[in-house]
Amino acid sequence: NAGVTQTPKFQVLKTGQSMTLQCAQDMNHEYMSWYRQDPGMGLRLIHYSVGAGITDQGEVPNGYNVSRSTTEDFPLRLLSAAPSQTSVYFCASRLSQGDNSPLHFGNGTRLTVT
Amino acid sequence: AQSVTQLGSHVSVSEGALVLLRCNYSSSVPPYLFWYVQYPNQGLQLLLKYTTGATLVKGINGFEAEFKKSETSFHLTKPSAHMSDAAEYFCAVSDARAAGNKLTFGGGTRVLVKP
Repeated sequence: NAGVTQTPKFQVLKTGQSMTLQCAQDMNHEYMSWYRQDPGMGLRLIHYSVGAGITDQGEVPNGYNVSRSTTEDFPLRLLSAAPSQTSVYFCASRLSQGDNSPLHFGNGTRLTVT
Repeated sequence: AQSVTQLGSHVSVSEGALVLLRCNYSSSVPPYLFWYVQYPNQGLQLLLKYTTGATLVKGINGFEAEFKKSETSFHLTKPSAHMSDAAEYFCAVSDARAAGNKLTFGGGTRVLVKP
């Protein structure tokens, strides 16, 4: 098992550009989520999905879109990047919404918006 | 809404000394509590979790944490620090009974181990 795979590892964008952060998991997990990590603020939930075709907003959803067309993939889209979106982004998954199993994290994407 | 407070963004300990990382939470229902560790340039990995049952929870790498409901705390300890314990540690709370079962993280505590 590869676990949770995120691409790219690093990305630099100019303000206003768009891009998609990719996330894939091979554990047949129903639940997938995106977090951003900023110094001193821990991880904050952006969007999550409890299964294919179902997504919902987290704590900081503005400026980000998601979709879940398959169980395996959960891409995060920035439509018009802003400097405030400079952060490290983590994708994480767990078996299902209702269990207490831990989240499995990818290794992150470090995004800089200039 | 649930929240997590970690006291101290940075902790410095000597090798062999006690590691104590403090975590307090707020939750309207009995929580599920987690400690995660993050090594440089990596994602988070689970150290230990409390769901129900015994309030003293043992995790990997010699860490343990005690759930104290009366104090709404879940402090993480390790009797003797090792150089490999240098990392950032995150406390998190979730409620599996809530829609989305969202995990809320504290701000993190970075541990420095001095030789």
